[in-house]
Amino acid sequence: GDSVTQMEGPVTLSEEAFLTINCTYTATGYPSLFWYVQYPGEGLQLLLKATKADDKGSNKGFEATYRKETTSFHLEKGSVQVSDSAVYFCALRAGGGNKLTFGTGTQLKVEL
Amino acid sequence: DSGVTQTPKHLITATGQRVTLRCSPRSGDLSVYWYQQSLDQGLQFLIQYYNGEERAKGNILERFSAQQFPDLHSELNLSSLELGDSALYFCASSVDVEGGNPPLHFGNGTRLTVT
Repeated sequence: GDSVTQMEGPVTLSEEAFLTINCTYTATGYPSLFWYVQYPGEGLQLLLKATKADDKGSNKGFEATYRKETTSFHLEKGSVQVSDSAVYFCALRAGGGNKLTFGTGTQLKVEL
Repeated sequence: DSGVTQTPKHLITATGQRVTLRCSPRSGDLSVYWYQQSLDQGLQFLIQYYNGEERAKGNILERFSAQQFPDLHSELNLSSLELGDSALYFCASSVDVEGGNPPLHFGNGTRLTVT
């Protein structure tokens, strides 16, 4: 079945550091890929998405490139801020229907 | 604010009991999804309804059931509760355009604690 594997957290960085959160997937066909972010006490929010190979999704300084050859969708940001502290979920949508399959989430803590 | 409303925010109940979680989707969204988030299993898809009918089913236990009403709000019923059912239950909604990759809009969740 479809699955998403994320690097385990927590990831702790200093402000202005470079961020990478790894995400790989297994799916039939050509899934669409997403990153969602969950701030404390809130629901998940869509951060960015990519719907086909080599697409780059970007938003709020975050970006991720759909790599079909490595089945990966790693999240990156050049300079993180304390306000980026949250849990980040990689997800995919495959086949018919619109349900998402999520990874286990990676907690990011950014310190001053 | 996602526009998705979940009630109650917190629920504490005993084993063996039954509870109902409620979700009002974003205005205009016909699809509702239920997810369970627990520490050991992450975010698990339970079930999806579209305009009142079940559309997709995930890892939903037989003790759990859901429905979507004509006004599009949805309820998730959890019965014969066990300690392991303690989790955060999220509702999400979308416009559900096939192949259109509409984003899911999540509510803030209901935290269920079974004691």
